[in-house]
Amino acid sequence: QVQLQESGPGLVKPSETLSLTCTVSGGSVSSGSYYWSWIRQPPGKGLEWIGYIYYSGSTNYNPSLKSRVTISVDTSKNQFSLKLSSVTAADTAVYYCARAKAVTMPHDYWGQGTLVTVSS
Amino acid sequence: QSVLTQPPSASGTPGQRVTISCSGSSSNIGSNTVNWYQQLPGTAPKLLIYSNNQRPSGVPDRFSGSKSGTSASLAISGLQSEDEADYYCAAWDDSLNGLYVFGTGTKVTVL
Repeated sequence: QVQLQESGPGLVKPSETLSLTCTVSGGSVSSGSYYWSWIRQPPGKGLEWIGYIYYSGSTNYNPSLKSRVTISVDTSKNQFSLKLSSVTAADTAVYYCARAKAVTMPHDYWGQGTLVTVSS
Repeated sequence: QSVLTQPPSASGTPGQRVTISCSGSSSNIGSNTVNWYQQLPGTAPKLLIYSNNQRPSGVPDRFSGSKSGTSASLAISGLQSEDEADYYCAAWDDSLNGLYVFGTGTKVTVL
């Protein structure tokens, strides 16, 4: 059974960089044709896809966030990570990591989510 | 930023059938398959329907999906109290370099 777990600071100051890590168990980030995504949800609002890293290492980002986002993978730790720079209060959200099993992005496994608040 | 439009709310009594619509465009629903997610209060979303009408293992057959042109629908038949949740449609959008877009979300209330 694949499990995903987000980790990282719950509070980030404005203009700084948000950094989160997703640890994958029960499966490998470097095997199989899977897409490893980050998705966020502001409090009381809907879902927004941030981007993915493919098992091969290629990435694709939401154009609205592309200039600030980097997603990377650490195969030795079976983790993938999110960095979002120059954050503002609008980046306050629950951040989820998830796995998609096809290019059409059906995300079949999700982490429980972690709330990141941007505030001084 | 949602480009897929859903009604904000839907409701029904136990046992009734509820339908949720999802309206998109030629660059998303019109050219790619649709996924549906269920989000129970305080939890992560769960994949409910993929590839327009396929149910992952463990999803009751009370849930069904369909697609026609640039719109899709999710139907819940035999509504149960545990179906009270937020539901989101989603699809790949071919505009720009491509991105995955979610619907605006629909809150289903069991009366």
